[in-house]
Amino acid sequence: SQTIHQWPATLVQPVGSPLSLECTVEGTSNPNLYWYRQAAGRGLQLLFYSVGIGQISSEVPQNLSASRPQDRQFILSSKKLLLSDSGFYLCAWWGLTGELFFGEGSRLTVL
Amino acid sequence: QKEVEQNSGPLSVPEGAIASLNCTYSDRGSQSFFWYRQYSGKSPELIMSIYSNGDKEDGRFTAQLNKASQYVSLLIRDSQPSDSATYLCAVNWNYNQGGKLIFGQGTELSVKP
Repeated sequence: SQTIHQWPATLVQPVGSPLSLECTVEGTSNPNLYWYRQAAGRGLQLLFYSVGIGQISSEVPQNLSASRPQDRQFILSSKKLLLSDSGFYLCAWWGLTGELFFGEGSRLTVL
Repeated sequence: QKEVEQNSGPLSVPEGAIASLNCTYSDRGSQSFFWYRQYSGKSPELIMSIYSNGDKEDGRFTAQLNKASQYVSLLIRDSQPSDSATYLCAVNWNYNQGGKLIFGQGTELSVKP
């Protein structure tokens, strides 16, 4: 069966520090992968998606970037965090049944 | 601007009652509809998907879709305290765009013993 893992689960970072969140998928090949963010009091917002290695599409202008160095690996990064980057970051994959499945999430607090 | 609207709640129902959660969407061309359950501090978990007008039942859950009214709902029968969570409605307007979903803000459900 397919599983999706994210890490770290929780992190607290100072403003201006870099960020790297990692997501890996097991049990499938060439998945469509997504990064969503859930900010406090707001709904889930799509940040990036990827249909293959090196292929990244950005949905909203922001301080973040994404990369897909391997088929089942998706990374979310920032060079300098802002307070507004705080939130719950969710990696997801689009399953063969036409449904979106989320990882456990990474909760980021920027101080 | 594609939008999905949900009442934020909280919706409070007694144990054993039917909980009714509602969602409206703005894009008439939307094709796929999903309900997720999210416990506090956890990631969303897919409950049901629905693609055609009418009802779809899965255990205690029934999803209802009315494309003409741009309305989708989730009924939870025999509600249990473990059903207390936030329920997210999500819409996909282009199946070829896969997991690019528009989410509502969520409805908080509280089931009282």
